[in-house]
Amino acid sequence: GIQVEQSPPDLILQEGANSTLRCNFSDSVNNLQWFHQNPWGQLINLFYIPSGTKQNGRLSATTVATERYSLLYISSSQTTDSGVYFCAVEQYGNKLVFGAGTILRVKS
Amino acid sequence: DAGVTQSPTHLIKTRGQQVTLRCSPKSGHDTVSWYQQALGQGPQFIFQYYEEEERQRGNFPDRFSGHQFPNYSSELNVNALWLGDSALYLCASSWYLDGPYEQYFGPGTRLTVT
Repeated sequence: GIQVEQSPPDLILQEGANSTLRCNFSDSVNNLQWFHQNPWGQLINLFYIPSGTKQNGRLSATTVATERYSLLYISSSQTTDSGVYFCAVEQYGNKLVFGAGTILRVKS
Repeated sequence: DAGVTQSPTHLIKTRGQQVTLRCSPKSGHDTVSWYQQALGQGPQFIFQYYEEEERQRGNFPDRFSGHQFPNYSSELNVNALWLGDSALYLCASSWYLDGPYEQYFGPGTRLTVT
């Protein structure tokens, strides 16, 4: 099956710093989503981005489908950005395959 | 617009028991998928229901079964619980036909098996 790799596995930032999270996938996909999992376990939708670039406030994402990767940019990080960030891809039929996640810690 | 809801929030069971978890999809969605997330890992796909039928299944044993009701809500049943079934169980909803579509997740049910 398709493989999804996220990097880095862990990231510690000072408040106000910028960061880039990467997601590589091993085959073509129909869908790619980025999620933020809060400490209570809720997966919060950040971006639905099978291709192209999208921005939402301090967050933006770019997916280059032909090269099988996606990037999530976080600018001017805040302590509330802490948590686990997941990339998930879908090849068919609404079945999402998740990466192992990036644990982000933002220090004040 | 109601999002995806799940119940209960937490559950503690003993090895060998059976458990039923419930999910109501986001308003207007007709497809429900279930995922298991073990501690420190990403969610893993269990199965998906559309039109009250199981449409896809991940690599989970037959002890895991489900059901979808005419109002699109769904149940996940796990029989003969093992310690290894302790996890966060997440439900996602979307539309089915002519996809792909963005999927939305519920808050999860945290199951502890002792």
